[in-house]
Amino acid sequence: SQKIEQNSEALNIQEGKTATLTCNYTNYSPAYLQWYRQDPGRGPVFLLLIRENEKEKRKERLKVTFDTTLKQSLFHITASQPADSATYLCALEGTPLVFGKGTRLSVIA
Amino acid sequence: EPEVTQTPSHQVTQMGQEVILRCVPISNHLYFYWYRQILGQKVEFLVSFYNNEISEKSEIFDDQFSVERPDGSNFTLKIRSTKLEDSAMYFCASSEGQGQIMNYGYTFGSGTRLTVV
Repeated sequence: SQKIEQNSEALNIQEGKTATLTCNYTNYSPAYLQWYRQDPGRGPVFLLLIRENEKEKRKERLKVTFDTTLKQSLFHITASQPADSATYLCALEGTPLVFGKGTRLSVIA
Repeated sequence: EPEVTQTPSHQVTQMGQEVILRCVPISNHLYFYWYRQILGQKVEFLVSFYNNEISEKSEIFDDQFSVERPDGSNFTLKIRSTKLEDSAMYFCASSEGQGQIMNYGYTFGSGTRLTVV
């Protein structure tokens, strides 16, 4: 069965730096991959969808890359702010979506 | 911006009791889902619903669980006889499309925190 790994449970970075989160997957070739943000006690919020034929996608300070050869997606937040502190989830295309466990990002002022 | 609404936000119930969790998905969405998240663990799929019937369900979604769309707007999850291990955050979600026809992600509600005592 498909497996998703977000290889850091937690990541601490200094305000203003770029945060990079990793999502790896196995046993699957998804047509797309999605990233969500989840705050404590709240539901996931959709951020970005990137398709297998797209190498990179951007939205404001967010950038996602998708390498189908490495079976990996990278999620970058540039000029990070304390308000970016949250858990970030990747999710593989499927019926239904399958979520990774997430990486908890803390941006320290 | 359209929202998925879930009620109640918190529910405490005695073991063995029935609970119904309610959701109002986004009106023009066609696909509906229930996920759950046990504290500190990942968001796990329970069931998906399309065209007034279950389209997929996970191993978690056993005979104790059922879903219904009673009136064209509400979407409910019923747990017939709750167990301690059913304690979790339950999220309802909806989407315009599914699988390879998706252009946007799922829209999740804020969840119902279910505590079974």
